[in-house]
Amino acid sequence: QKEVEQDPGPLSVPEGAIVSLNCTYSNSAFQYFMWYRQYSRKGPELLMYTYSSGNKEDGRFTAQVDKSSKYISLFIRDSQPSDSATYLCATSSSGNTPLVFGKGTRLSVIA
Amino acid sequence: NAGVMQNPRHLVRRRGQEARLRCSPMKGHSHVYWYRQLPEEGLKFMVYLQKENIIDESGMPKERFSAEFPKEGPSILRIQQVVRGDSAAYFCASSPSPLTEAFFGQGTRLTVV
Repeated sequence: QKEVEQDPGPLSVPEGAIVSLNCTYSNSAFQYFMWYRQYSRKGPELLMYTYSSGNKEDGRFTAQVDKSSKYISLFIRDSQPSDSATYLCATSSSGNTPLVFGKGTRLSVIA
Repeated sequence: NAGVMQNPRHLVRRRGQEARLRCSPMKGHSHVYWYRQLPEEGLKFMVYLQKENIIDESGMPKERFSAEFPKEGPSILRIQQVVRGDSAAYFCASSPSPLTEAFFGQGTRLTVV
């Protein structure tokens, strides 16, 4: 079983839709969770960073962590064509361990 | 405050040559991470360094690959005797401490011909 599983998509939604992106993980020791956005041929850009369970909101983005079910989510409200990118979830068990990434979900927001 | 700087952005090497990839972390960041990304694949961890120390190299192939982060200057990822399978995008990330988020550079795309 891979440490972090993420549906690769592609996911296509109309402009203005609410987008839900999800990952599952297998290691219960993971406690740092991040979401990155990666445009084609660019480096990953950090969107959200959370520690342990709970929700975190930043503008149109909300990150959720449910450690009991080992499930992490990113919600994008009022999606825009500029949100079209690949979204990568990442997690680690401690600050000294490297981030483990999902394969990424490709999102297209259609105007 | 400049972000993580990687150079070159594109690198073409013939089989058997050496590839040297450079990464300058963000100002104030002393922790550097190297990742490799193949097409349609996620980011795969290679090595984690602090100034003058290798903290974790569990993702680095045992042969031909090496990394350093000297007291002065950028971090270097070196690939000796490159093969076609080394063709990939190599990303560097930095953080100010191990308990905070990591910021990525734009990557170096290595093509081995």
